[in-house]
Amino acid sequence: DTEVTQTPKHLVMGMTNKKSLKCEQHMGHRAMYWYKQKAKKPPELMFVYSYEKLSINESVPSRFSPECPNSSLLNLHLHALQPEDSALYLCASSQGDRGRFEQYFGPGTRLTVT
Amino acid sequence: DAKTTQPPSMICAEGRAANLPCNHSTISGNEYVYWYRQIHSQGPQYIIHGLKNNETNEMASLIITEDRKSSTLILPHATLRDTAVYYCIVRDDNTNAGKSTFGDGTTLTVKP
Repeated sequence: DTEVTQTPKHLVMGMTNKKSLKCEQHMGHRAMYWYKQKAKKPPELMFVYSYEKLSINESVPSRFSPECPNSSLLNLHLHALQPEDSALYLCASSQGDRGRFEQYFGPGTRLTVT
Repeated sequence: DAKTTQPPSMICAEGRAANLPCNHSTISGNEYVYWYRQIHSQGPQYIIHGLKNNETNEMASLIITEDRKSSTLILPHATLRDTAVYYCIVRDDNTNAGKSTFGDGTTLTVKP
């Protein structure tokens, strides 16, 4: 099973709302990632969790708050977003050992901020 | 992580081999070459990766030059479903905190 699931598939939220994106994998992977992708652009790394600890934060604004409750789950909490935060949010996981960092991506959550 | 350079677009005839080049002239000894593709509106899909030896799996072959400064992804018999953006990434696998930075990739169009 090489599946990464993400919920919801689509999300529309106002600028004052609080919402969360959820990502789940059951491959035993120990590294998990959040990416943001704008239309016709490559994915941009936001956060990396390694062994359930935040190892990379790519200077992401604090209105995005990641959480890794356990090795299978990754959440992205959203608060007070701006319209320019509208994008496809991708979650990925990888085994996390040398030579085994191939990432498996979920289908993404398409977020629209109104 | 080293930067990569890929042609912005390529066209391939269905049934023919698609050869996608990637330049990574500043690659260091610890960095692996990873290839992904992204079909429209889907999440990226892992294809193959390697360090210095050529690699083959059920999807593709990866040819890395001896000096490791460039590589080529080969799809042996391209189909219409292979139309996608292909990303070449180099990544330092010596650290858990190594980043996979996506460049602009190559848009491959497979035509009947």
